[in-house]
Amino acid sequence: NAGVTQTPKFQVLKTGQSMTLQCAQDMNHNSMYWYRQDPGMGLRLIYYSASEGTTDKGEVPNGYNVSRLNKREFSLRLESAAPSQTSVYFCASSEAPQAFSNQPQHFGDGTRLSIL
Amino acid sequence: QQPVQSPQAVILREGEDAVINCSSSKALYSVHWYRQKHGEAPVFLMILLKGGEQKGHDKISASFNEKKQQSSLYLTASQLSYSGTYFCGTNPRGGNKLVFGAGTILRVKS
Repeated sequence: NAGVTQTPKFQVLKTGQSMTLQCAQDMNHNSMYWYRQDPGMGLRLIYYSASEGTTDKGEVPNGYNVSRLNKREFSLRLESAAPSQTSVYFCASSEAPQAFSNQPQHFGDGTRLSIL
Repeated sequence: QQPVQSPQAVILREGEDAVINCSSSKALYSVHWYRQKHGEAPVFLMILLKGGEQKGHDKISASFNEKKQQSSLYLTASQLSYSGTYFCGTNPRGGNKLVFGAGTILRVKS
């Protein structure tokens, strides 16, 4: 059982380049999330998708876009990468929308992104 | 808006106990607890939904004081495997986003 799969695991970009981080879950979960994790700051929500066909901004959405391609897949795009976006990115999923918050979130292994 | 966790870091010897606190400036609907080992993904520990609710998971338990807007995680008779960073995530009443604290680093030494 794979759970939440993120690709790639590591990536180095130059400032101004674009890229898409991929996330897929095989647990038939309704809700999916993208977080970034920086030292000493915990997990900060970038965007989330409560259900297929919907997306909404989190705490730190600037510089990012998302696509909920289908129920399984939720991608995060950096249109013009900046050094401030160097971080570890985690995708997560949960059975219920976050508003009800009574279901655990299952995290992928993360993507370590460096922007030079 | 980010919940405040304390302490920031704690070092224990095997068998010792620890308490990690999580406080919010807003009223809370629920509190989540997760543990993350270095270089790995956060792993779910437990969710507390009601004021005063306590849950347990092996020798790890938690309480939720809704009136005080805080939760505490209790680790008893700590084991080496308990080492990692512990995060609380809070859901303010009426809010639709889970907000995580900065984390508490726990290191258990033999």
